Amino acid sequence: DIQMTQSPSSLSASVGDRVTITCRASQGISNYLAWYQQKPGKVPKLLIYAASTLQSGVPSRFSGSGSGTDFTLTISSLQPEDVATYYCQKYNSEGTFGQGTKVEIK
Amino acid sequence: EVQLVQSGAEVKKPGESLKISCKGSGYSFTSYWIGWVRQMPGKGLEWMGIIYPGDSDTRYSPSFQGQVTISADKSISTAYLQWSSLKASDTAMYYCARFRRPKSTVTSFDYWGQGTLVTVSS
Repeated sequence: DIQMTQSPSSLSASVGDRVTITCRASQGISNYLAWYQQKPGKVPKLLIYAASTLQSGVPSRFSGSGSGTDFTLTISSLQPEDVATYYCQKYNSEGTFGQGTKVEIK
Repeated sequence: EVQLVQSGAEVKKPGESLKISCKGSGYSFTSYWIGWVRQMPGKGLEWMGIIYPGDSDTRYSPSFQGQVTISADKSISTAYLQWSSLKASDTAMYYCARFRRPKSTVTSFDYWGQGTLVTVSS
């Protein structure tokens, strides 16, 4: 089974900061990777698919990169409404999720 | 507008059976795979299994194989997740979600149901 490992597990940053979350697959998954945002008490929301394609309606401050085993989600300028837990998910076979990264405002 | 509407919260006792539902609308229900995702209290997302309502092809995560049954009734555009004998450890929020591309599982989820909270307690 391919495992997905996110880092860090949580982070605290100031409004306007650049935030980077990393997701590592235990085997290569090409670009079959998505990122989701889950705000407290809410349903997960698709941000990025195919590692770097922004879902329609998602603010451009979100971006994704990577291929193979190493991927990143970047928030270029953190906003208060970005407080959430972020999950990566591979989808080349079973759709395993990473364990999540909780983002808070400092 | 694409919508997935799930059935309401359930409170059950250990050993009881349960079937929760996910009704799709605003798109061709038979053309898109649907998945089920578990989120235990305070924990992350877990991929349980998927179904293609067009022909009821079903696949399970090894972690959930034999523990739950996924089915669909395409005549009413509804997918189901069921348990034959609930355990306290089944207490969780359960989401259904649609795969983004038709006929494909090699794609992300795009639309999600609102979630069904299942509480199992004696």
